Amino acid sequence: AQKVTQAQTEISVVEKEDVTLDCVYETRDTTYYLFWYKQPPSGELVFLIRRNSFDEQNEISGRYSWNFQKSTSSFNFTITASQVVDSAVYFCALSGTYKYIFGTGTRLKVLA
Amino acid sequence: NAGVTQTPKFQVLKTGQSMTLQCAQDMNHNSMYWYRQDPGMGLRLIYYSASEGTTDKGEVPNGYNVSRLNKREFSLRLESAAPSQTSVYFCASSGFGTTYSNQPQHFGDGTRLSIL
Repeated sequence: AQKVTQAQTEISVVEKEDVTLDCVYETRDTTYYLFWYKQPPSGELVFLIRRNSFDEQNEISGRYSWNFQKSTSSFNFTITASQVVDSAVYFCALSGTYKYIFGTGTRLKVLA
Repeated sequence: NAGVTQTPKFQVLKTGQSMTLQCAQDMNHNSMYWYRQDPGMGLRLIYYSASEGTTDKGEVPNGYNVSRLNKREFSLRLESAAPSQTSVYFCASSGFGTTYSNQPQHFGDGTRLSIL
């Protein structure tokens, strides 16, 4: 069975703080893909990043970085120097055959 | 520049009524999906269509039916709406790589459905 766990329901930080969103997954597949999506208050879902199971290289994109560790089945997302515009619900997702499994999401509130 | 278009954006139904949610994508994607989003539950897959002509059940298919009308369109039907189906419904599409859904999904803006 596949499963994605985002244990942090809600996180509040003050602007300019760094914050890490945790994602732990379970799968028996040897080939799989992991994703992060952002859902701002306006409600749309926006794709942020994809990582396949054979690529454990960490990635940085501006203030965003992702740490993928197969040994701990984790794919964590860090926002450096957070901004109010980062306030959103963030979803981690795991793909299997034709289907995605989404975590329950982490609501991030960045306070000015 | 449309991407994935869902109609309607809002709808209020009475228990027992039926309705169809429409979804169309203009990205030539093979795979399409219907999700529902409820507070604290994340996104749950209702039905998906890996390619034109095929549909399969997801995690929560009961009370719903789908039709993959053509490559562009994938509709979701509630035959007899129930209050438990009050939710926000998202349609999504993705390209088709290999057996695995390795492509990111592109989402519509959602349909907020209330059933009284």
